[in-house]
Amino acid sequence: GENVEQHPSTLSVQEGDSAVIKCTYSDSASNYFPWYKQELGKRPQLIIDIRSNVGEKKDQRIAVTLNKTAKHFSLHITETQPEDSAVYFCAAGAQGGSEKLVFGKGTKLTVNP
Amino acid sequence: KAGVTQTPRYLIKTRGQQVTLSCSPISGHRSVSWYQQTPGQGLQFLFEYFSETQRNKGNFPGRFSGRQFSNSRSEMNVSTLELGDSALYLCASSLGGKNTGELFFGEGSRLTVL
Repeated sequence: GENVEQHPSTLSVQEGDSAVIKCTYSDSASNYFPWYKQELGKRPQLIIDIRSNVGEKKDQRIAVTLNKTAKHFSLHITETQPEDSAVYFCAAGAQGGSEKLVFGKGTKLTVNP
Repeated sequence: KAGVTQTPRYLIKTRGQQVTLSCSPISGHRSVSWYQQTPGQGLQFLFEYFSETQRNKGNFPGRFSGRQFSNSRSEMNVSTLELGDSALYLCASSLGGKNTGELFFGEGSRLTVL
């Protein structure tokens, strides 16, 4: 069935360092790959997304890369700040008239000042 | 614009009871999805409704059901509650167009089953 594997489950970095989170998906029909950030006690919020016709997308300190052949996509955060500390979820979705997303199990990122 | 509103925010039930959760989407959003969030499993898709029709369903038992009303508001129901149903239930709304797009989540309903 559909599955999204996410690694690592926890990640601790020093402020100013970069953080990378990787995901692998199984469904070849997937063509939409969003990343959600969930701060403690709050709702998940979209931070960046990419569609399968694009290999890379960047928004200030955040970038996402996609390798459709290998079914891999990654989130890159540069110059990390303490406010980046949160749980990050990758997800995969497919066209076909549904908003269904299959989420990874999350990565708890801690940025130490 | 008001965000996605879920009620109740917290509830405690005992095994065997049933529960109904409510979700009011962002105005103009026609798709409502429900997810179960637990510490070990992350966010798991329950179902999605669009224009009062269930468009997709996840791998949950039939005890989990939902519906959507003509104003796009949605409810989900869990019958014969089990201890393992304790979780945060998140509702998300979206425009529901042809392409999958951003989901806007509510703050969730935290269910505890004793």
